[in-house]
Amino acid sequence: KAGVTQTPRYLIKTRGQQVTLSCSPISGHRSVSWYQQTPGQGLQFLFEYFSETQRNKGNFPGRFSGRQFSNSRSEMNVSTLELGDSALYLCASSLGGVLAPDTQYFGPGTRLTVL
Amino acid sequence: TQLLEQSPQFLSIQEGENLTVYCNSSSVFSSLQWYRQEPGEGPVLLVTVVTGGEVKKLKRLTFQFGDARKDSSLHITAAQPGDTGLYLCAGRLYNQGGKLIFGQGTELSVKP
Repeated sequence: KAGVTQTPRYLIKTRGQQVTLSCSPISGHRSVSWYQQTPGQGLQFLFEYFSETQRNKGNFPGRFSGRQFSNSRSEMNVSTLELGDSALYLCASSLGGVLAPDTQYFGPGTRLTVL
Repeated sequence: TQLLEQSPQFLSIQEGENLTVYCNSSSVFSSLQWYRQEPGEGPVLLVTVVTGGEVKKLKRLTFQFGDARKDSSLHITAAQPGDTGLYLCAGRLYNQGGKLIFGQGTELSVKP
């Protein structure tokens, strides 16, 4: 079974631009979660999508948004990029059940650099 | 303040030594997962623990979930250079959907 895939793997943007990242979950998984990883803050939860609906949201500004398609693929968008948005963006997929453990499996990440 | 406190943050040991990494919280988790991450890659799942007091073994790695489901530990016996990497604990709170709370991570270096 193929794992979680993320595209692109690397991205360089300038301040003020916007960016869209893509995530394809493991086949059969209906939940996709997004995380931001930085050296200073570690891994922080952005949001979770389940069956095309945002089910949970972290404490990030409205510049960070996402969506999920009917095939469970998900995209994350960041508008008006700031230098502090430079990070490794990770997506994780799971079956999405509400009962434990519903283990999450991570993709390789997209390394975003904002200049 | 981190909801899930992981310690130590850095650990440098010689091959053959034993080590333990701790994750502690004042919150109760429905499950807790341990991941290992290589530079520039996503975290790879090592184990999921669900039941209070549960102990799971994966070769030289032993994982324990506290009785009260607020803490967990990872013990590595006879560490090898191949164990080098970033170890992350991540807990799932009740009624929080897919949101995982991560510890700060433990950067482990095992020298030959």
